[in-house]
Amino acid sequence: DAGITQSPRHKVTETGTPVTLRCHQTENHRYMYWYRQDPGHGLRLIHYSYGVKDTDKGEVSDGYSVSRSKTEDFLLTLESATSSQTSVYFCAIGEASGILNEQFFGPGTRLTVL
Amino acid sequence: KNQVEQSPQSLIILEGKNCTLQCNYTVSPFSNLRWYKQDTGRGPVSLTIMTFSENTKSNGRYTATLDADTKQSSLHITASQLSDSASYICVVSSNNAGNMLTFGGGTRLMVKP
Repeated sequence: DAGITQSPRHKVTETGTPVTLRCHQTENHRYMYWYRQDPGHGLRLIHYSYGVKDTDKGEVSDGYSVSRSKTEDFLLTLESATSSQTSVYFCAIGEASGILNEQFFGPGTRLTVL
Repeated sequence: KNQVEQSPQSLIILEGKNCTLQCNYTVSPFSNLRWYKQDTGRGPVSLTIMTFSENTKSNGRYTATLDADTKQSSLHITASQLSDSASYICVVSSNNAGNMLTFGGGTRLMVKP
């Protein structure tokens, strides 16, 4: 998985609790992304980062926050989890430069909010 | 709104047979189109990537085509194997900040012996 790890891989939590998902890369890529994947939808971008402490919102950012204090780590936080945030979350990394701006995906985290 | 539509949603074929998956997109400005394979429980892995000027790209038994005029792409799988069972996702990249991708919903392929 191109030097990307996600933790935890599976999590079950209750509505209203805070949850933090971690993405760690060993590739030194500048860009990191968080997506969610739901049945009937393609992957949808939540937030992305283009450098340490530089982040921006994606298509479905409501209810999520992110932080990137080091090049290798990108954290996704659900401040107060809701059942609609039950999903599979994927982290991706890339350079976003050049016409063939490849993104490499991590193994995913399956989150269930009861 | 940028959109990527894929068909069929699911497909069952017998091992050794060929199949073709379709992708239509409305993404602007267009940068490139890629096909990903996603095995169950794993992240997507890139199969092919094509720019505006390319109309075909092969990766082993996988051949992707691109018609930029009609905004259509196809992925042809030759001599299917059981390991080809997966979801295949068409993804279009736009020439904007952050390398934004628009994902199709995927085609779930099952290859049966």
